[in-house]
Amino acid sequence: GQQVMQIPQYQHVQEGEDFTTYCNSSTTLSNIQWYKQRPGGHPVFLIQLVKSGEVKKQKRLTFQFGEAKKNSSLHITATQTTDVGTYFCAGRVTDKLIFGTGTRLQVFP
Amino acid sequence: ETGVTQSPTHLIKTRGQQVTLRCSSQSGHNTVSWYQQALGQGPQFIFQYYREEENGRGNFPPRFSGLQFPNYSSELNVNALELDDSALYLCASSPGTGRDWELFFGEGSRLTVL
Repeated sequence: GQQVMQIPQYQHVQEGEDFTTYCNSSTTLSNIQWYKQRPGGHPVFLIQLVKSGEVKKQKRLTFQFGEAKKNSSLHITATQTTDVGTYFCAGRVTDKLIFGTGTRLQVFP
Repeated sequence: ETGVTQSPTHLIKTRGQQVTLRCSSQSGHNTVSWYQQALGQGPQFIFQYYREEENGRGNFPPRFSGLQFPNYSSELNVNALELDDSALYLCASSPGTGRDWELFFGEGSRLTVL
């Protein structure tokens, strides 16, 4: 079946360092969404990418969608303690939104 | 926050029992999706309902079933509970089934099967 993998599984950084998570799908995606889940919370939508090669920025967050629409990345510049949580990509395949395995980010002050 | 409410928030069942989880979608949203999230894992798609009809299903056995009501609220039913069914069950609503809609998640129902 369709699989969406993310690496790394965990990332511990010092506050101020950068962070990147990578998302890879076994199939071509219609679009990709990113969600953040704080510890004990529920996933919260961050952004959606639709076009091949698309790049979007939200303050310190930069999102990319690969040319083949099978991979994506999220880069956070100068992490803050408020960035702590698990970041999920979610790829749309026909009518299903398939979530990735997630990258858990821990930020040390 | 999201306007999506789920009940109960926590429950404990024993193996073989049945459970019903409920979800009220955000006002104006006609689509509800259910996800199972095991500890430390990503949400796994169970199924989606659009205007009271199931219109997408993940790799879950038939003992996972659902309903959507005319007011677009929804239920997830799980029969013959197994230990591996212990997880956070997330309901998410969206304004439609088109590919561009984001999901608005509820807080989830945490099910423990003993």
